[in-house]
Amino acid sequence: QQQVKQSPQSLIVQKGGIPIINCAYENTAFDYFPWYQQFPGKGPALLIAIRPDVSEKKEGRFTISFNKSAKQFSLHIMDSQPGDSATYFCAASPSGGTSYGKLTFGQGTILTVHP
Amino acid sequence: DADVTQTPRNRITKTGKRIMLECSQTKGHDRMYWYRQDPGLGLRLIYYSFDVKDINKGEISDGYSVSRQAQAKFSLSLESAIPNQTALYFCATSEGVWANYGYTFGSGTRLTVV
Repeated sequence: QQQVKQSPQSLIVQKGGIPIINCAYENTAFDYFPWYQQFPGKGPALLIAIRPDVSEKKEGRFTISFNKSAKQFSLHIMDSQPGDSATYFCAASPSGGTSYGKLTFGQGTILTVHP
Repeated sequence: DADVTQTPRNRITKTGKRIMLECSQTKGHDRMYWYRQDPGLGLRLIYYSFDVKDINKGEISDGYSVSRQAQAKFSLSLESAIPNQTALYFCATSEGVWANYGYTFGSGTRLTVV
């Protein structure tokens, strides 16, 4: 079963737009939520992460919004640039127990930013 | 040199053949993982190892086996390859204590089974 559901599968925006990628999770033991960015021919790389004690985290043009009661979190990219074109994965893991640190990934979103 | 190196980068093999994908790391991390990536399905965990003596199945381990030869080396084998194992395979590492501070991925192996 897919414990982390990601949408949309693909997204096209114009330069300067604000793409939003959404994820929903089921496992209430999850308490660490990273986003990974993957460029063609490369492995995913950690972009930004959040823990459920805060509702929002910003790093540069990237923002994670977190809604614990709804079990949802999203990635916003402000002032998007063509260089942001990549595949984005959300993920989740618990911080305790035997699955500590074991990430479950969403299905991925292919983002294209047109000049 | 890359922190996590996967070999080969690309491989075409025939149905029924045994194939091994190799992963080595210079990060000094205890934890290593094998994922496969398929369009629309994201990254799915095949096997993971939290130290040399610890091997665990992931969500899609059927048809695969692994070997942790040393802290730095973790190999994935397909005993008898089948076409639906055609995918992009990634090895990743993380620190045991700070596992939630990020995985380091290799550049992947693109495997085609014909």
